This record gives sequence, structure tokens and C-alpha cells, in this order.
Amino acid sequence: EAGVTQFPSHSVIEKGQTVTLRCDPISGHDNLYWYRRVMGKEIKFLLHFVKESKQDESGMPNNRFLAERTGGTYSTLKVQPAELEDSGVYFCASSTSLNTEAFFGQGTRLTVV
Amino acid sequence: SQQGEEDPQALSIQEGENATMNCSYKTSINNLQWYRQNSGRGLVHLILIRSNEREKHSGRLRVTLDTSKKSSSLLITASRAADTASYFCATGLNTGFQKLVFGTGTRLLVSP
Repeated sequence: EAGVTQFPSHSVIEKGQTVTLRCDPISGHDNLYWYRRVMGKEIKFLLHFVKESKQDESGMPNNRFLAERTGGTYSTLKVQPAELEDSGVYFCASSTSLNTEAFFGQGTRLTVV
Repeated sequence: SQQGEEDPQALSIQEGENATMNCSYKTSINNLQWYRQNSGRGLVHLILIRSNEREKHSGRLRVTLDTSKKSSSLLITASRAADTASYFCATGLNTGFQKLVFGTGTRLLVSP
């Protein structure tokens, strides 16, 4: 069974550009989460989808970040326009239901220059 | 201060020794999960322990949870060089959602 996959693994963009990260959760997992770790700080929650619905987006830093999960399968996280402080590693995770294991992908390392 | 704080921040041991890492948290939780991260790669899930459980085992891993003290420990027995990694605890908060709050991590170095 394939795990959570994220694409790209690395992205280097200039300040002001747009970047879109993709996450494919484990098949059958209704719950999908985005997290990020910036500047060596703690891994922090961004948002949570249940199928195609946003269940909790309390961690989204500002309106430059837009997450979608059309059809309740894969998800994208768009940063537009990117700022220097957005640099970090963006993780996606999925789980079957609440109070179960959340499995993480390898992450996308985003560098904004 | 953080919801989850690991102690120690760094731990250096010899192969064959046991490694114990602790995690403290502040609010009510549904579960607590331990993860491993090797050299900045992805997070590998190790163990989930629910709030009504006190101890779980998985191979060389043993996790305990004390909800009265709001703390958990991860014990790795008979450590190997391949166990060298950063270990994180993440608490699943009792809010009706499944937001995980991560601690700062413990960097474990196992020397041959």
C-alpha cells in the first residue's frame, strides 16, 4: 500500500511567485492534514480536511495560503504570493478517522529567495 | 510555552543501551503519537497511545502515558546506530478535531 506522497520534494522560488504543493493521501483516508515546519521551529498544524470539506483551518497563517481538496482525494496547497518567511518544510498527513494514527509524507522543502 | 515539550533535547548513547525520552503536555488529549524523523526526511509514525491506555509496546519500543501528570515516555531498548534520529511527540487534542500539536523533539545519537 502506497503511503502519503508529496510533490515536489523540493521547490525554490523567488519572493512574489506562486507555488503549488500537492499531497496524495493514503487511499481510503478521509482525513487529510497539512503541517509545516519553518526556521527550525516546531511542526505546526495548518488545516484539516474531511473528504473535500475543510474541518479546521485555524492554523493557516494568512490569506496567501489556499488549500483545496476537490473530490476528496488529493489536496493542493497554494502559496500566492510567496514571502521569505514561508520557507520551510510542508508536511501532509492522512488518517482513516479521528483518534487514529496520522501518517505523514516525506514533506516538501520550500525555499523562497 | 509549548503544548508538547520533549526532554531531553539531545541524547547521546552507545549501541545496546536503552534510550528514554519524555514528553510533557498541558491540555486534555485524545491520544499521543510518537514519530521519528531521520536527517530532515519525512515523519515516520511509531506508536499511538490513547488517553485511556497506560502502556503500549511495539518491537523495541515501549510507550507509557500518565494523564494525571500529563506526560509520556518513549523507551527504545537495545538501541542501534540506525535509531539515530529526532523523535517527536504529538498530542491529539480533545477538541473534537484531530489537530496534532508537536513538541520540540529529542535528537538521539546512537554511536556504534
